[in-house]
Amino acid sequence: NAGVTQTPKFQVLKTGQSMTLQCAQDMNHNSMYWYRQDPGMGLRLIYYSASEGTTDKGEVPNGYNVSRLNKREFSLRLESAAPSQTSVYFCASSFQGGDTEAFFGQGTRLTVV
Amino acid sequence: LAKTTQPISMDSYEGQEVNITCSHNNIATNDYITWYQQFPSQGPRFIIQGYKTKVTNEVASLFIPADRKSSTLSLPRVSLSDTAVYYCLVGDKGSSYKLIFGSGTRLLVRP
Repeated sequence: NAGVTQTPKFQVLKTGQSMTLQCAQDMNHNSMYWYRQDPGMGLRLIYYSASEGTTDKGEVPNGYNVSRLNKREFSLRLESAAPSQTSVYFCASSFQGGDTEAFFGQGTRLTVV
Repeated sequence: LAKTTQPISMDSYEGQEVNITCSHNNIATNDYITWYQQFPSQGPRFIIQGYKTKVTNEVASLFIPADRKSSTLSLPRVSLSDTAVYYCLVGDKGSSYKLIFGSGTRLLVRP
C-alpha cells in the first residue's frame, strides 16, 4: 500500500502564479487534512475534510482553497502564490473525523520567489 | 481545544531514558492525549495515545496522572535514530477534532 501520496514533491513558483497540490490516499479513510510547516516550526492546519463532500477551515486558511474530489483525493490550490506561502505542505488522512491516528504523506516543498 | 505546553528542546545521550512532559491544564473530560514523532524531511508519525494512567507499546510509554493536566512520553534507552521532534496533541476524538499540532519538543540524542 502506498498510504498517502503527494505530488509534486518539489515546486518553485513565481509570485502570483497558481498551482494545485495533489493528495491521494489508498486506505479508504474518510477524513483528510492539509498542513503547512515553516522552517523550524510546528505544523499548522490549513483545511480539513471530515468526509467526502465536506471541507472546513483550519488555523491558516487564507490564500488557499481545497477540493475533496472523491473519497481518495484532496487537493490544495494556491490561486495567487505569495512568498509567505513558501513552506513544506503535508497531507494526512485518518479513518474518520475525530480519529487521532493520522497518516501523513512525505510532503511537498514549495518555494515562492 | 485544550492548549498544550511542551519544552522547546531536550538533549540526551544514547542508552538513556527520555521523558518529555506535556502540560494541558484545561483538558476536557472527553479529551484523549496523543503523541506524534517527526523526523527531518518527513511527515509526523503516530506514536501513542492514552486517556488515563499508563499506556505502553513497542515504541514508548505514556504516563497520565489522575488529574490529567499533564502527560509524560517516556522513550526507553534512546538511540541516535530517536532524534526527532515530538508533538503532544489533546482532543476529544469527536467528529470535530481536527488534529491541531503545537510547536513540539526537539529531542537531540548524542553519542
